[in-house]
Amino acid sequence: DAGITQSPRHKVTETGTPVTLRCHQTENHRYMYWYRQDPGHGLRLIHYSYGVKDTDKGEVSDGYSVSRSKTEDFLLTLESATSSQTSVYFCAISEGGSGTDTQYFGPGTRLTVL
Amino acid sequence: AQKVTQAQTEISVVEKEDVTLDCVYETRDTTYYLFWYKQPPSGELVFLIRRNSFDEQNEISGRYSWNFQKSTSSFNFTITASQVVDSAVYFCALRGYGSSNTGKLIFGQGTTLQVKP
Repeated sequence: DAGITQSPRHKVTETGTPVTLRCHQTENHRYMYWYRQDPGHGLRLIHYSYGVKDTDKGEVSDGYSVSRSKTEDFLLTLESATSSQTSVYFCAISEGGSGTDTQYFGPGTRLTVL
Repeated sequence: AQKVTQAQTEISVVEKEDVTLDCVYETRDTTYYLFWYKQPPSGELVFLIRRNSFDEQNEISGRYSWNFQKSTSSFNFTITASQVVDSAVYFCALRGYGSSNTGKLIFGQGTTLQVKP
C-alpha cells in the first residue's frame, strides 16, 4: 500500500464548470503524476511534479492545470470542464528520489462531464 | 518516439488454460524499464513486475511468468493454469531513461482477459 488517496472518487459535473481533483500521499514521495484512462488509449500522462511547486506537462495537458504547494498533495484542475474530459483519472507516485522507480497508483476518480 | 503495442484487445479462456498476453515496445533509449500492471474489475491498478533493459532473464512468480526478448522488442506475460480471479485488464508499460526522461510511463492499450469457470 503506497498510501495514496484520491478525492472525490466519483464526480458528475456540467460543461463549463471548474473541477479540482485531489491526490494525497502519506510517504513524502517526491514524484507525483496525473494520468487519464480512456478506452483504447490505456493511460496517458497529463502532468507530473518532481517537487513542491515543480511541475511540468505531459502528453495530454491541454485544458488541465496542476499545483503542488506541499509534498503530500497534488491537485489537478479542469478550468472549464468539457465532455472530452470525461474519464477516469489516476494519480501515481514514484518511489525513490529520481523518478525512475516503480510507480504506484491511487484508486482513481471517475469524472463525468455532462 | 516511444510506443507500446498490445495487439490483443480481448482474450477469453476457460479456467486452467494457459494464456499469454503479448507486449511489443519501441524505444530509442538504450536503458529503459518495462512494467506490467493489472486492473481488476474493481478498477485499481496493481503493479505486477518491473524489468530493466539490461536484465533479459525470464521471471517466474507463482503462476505468472514473463518473457523479455530485446531482439524482438517484446515483453510477454504468461499466466499458467488461469483462474477466474485472473480476469482483469492487463497493461504493459515502458519508461525510458535519460536526460529528457520525466519518469512518465507509456502504456499500451491494455488487454482484457476473461477467464470462464
